[in-house]
Amino acid sequence: DAGVIQSPRHEVTEMGQEVTLRCKPISGHDYLFWYRQTMMRGLELLIYFNNNVPIDDSGMPEDRFSAKMPNASFSTLKIQPSEPRDSAVYFCASSPGTGGVNEQFFGPGTRLTVL
Amino acid sequence: GENVEQHPSTLSVQEGDSAVIKCTYSDSASNYFPWYKQELGKGPQLIIDIRSNVGEKKDQRIAVTLNKTAKHFSLHITETQPEDSAVYFCAARVGSYQLTFGKGTKLSVIP
Repeated sequence: DAGVIQSPRHEVTEMGQEVTLRCKPISGHDYLFWYRQTMMRGLELLIYFNNNVPIDDSGMPEDRFSAKMPNASFSTLKIQPSEPRDSAVYFCASSPGTGGVNEQFFGPGTRLTVL
Repeated sequence: GENVEQHPSTLSVQEGDSAVIKCTYSDSASNYFPWYKQELGKGPQLIIDIRSNVGEKKDQRIAVTLNKTAKHFSLHITETQPEDSAVYFCAARVGSYQLTFGKGTKLSVIP
């Protein structure tokens, strides 16, 4: 298995532009998580899905952020409009959710820079 | 909600020495405590975890201890090697699948 796949790996955009981050979880995993990592705040959970359904989005900072999971193999995190304070590394992670396996497998991340 | 404090934020050790990283958590209902290692430019990777019904767990040079009464848990790395240099995160989970992470410890192993 290729692990969790994220694209793009790096994104540089200008303030006000729409940004879409993409994630392909590990096949067969029922849970998908989106995290944001910054020096100041560390790793923060933004939202997570179970079987493609959003379970908890209380970590989404503002209405400018939205996430979808149209099927078991794809999820997007969208920021519209983007702001410089959104600059961070965004991680997607997936977890089996069955058989007592709790481990979350992280992707390589997308480094977002908003100018 | 859950709050996880981690210290130290940076740690330098000589190769071959031991390293200890400590975390405290606030919610006594937390039942799962993983440790992740993050290398530069990569996502965090699980290295060891412990459940609330276990006091200690060991995997080769890595061990984790849990004190539920005091609500703290620690990561111990023995015989450190340069490849152990990375950022280490502790985390705690209450109930379902939501993890709360500590701020991380940057470990440097000096050859």
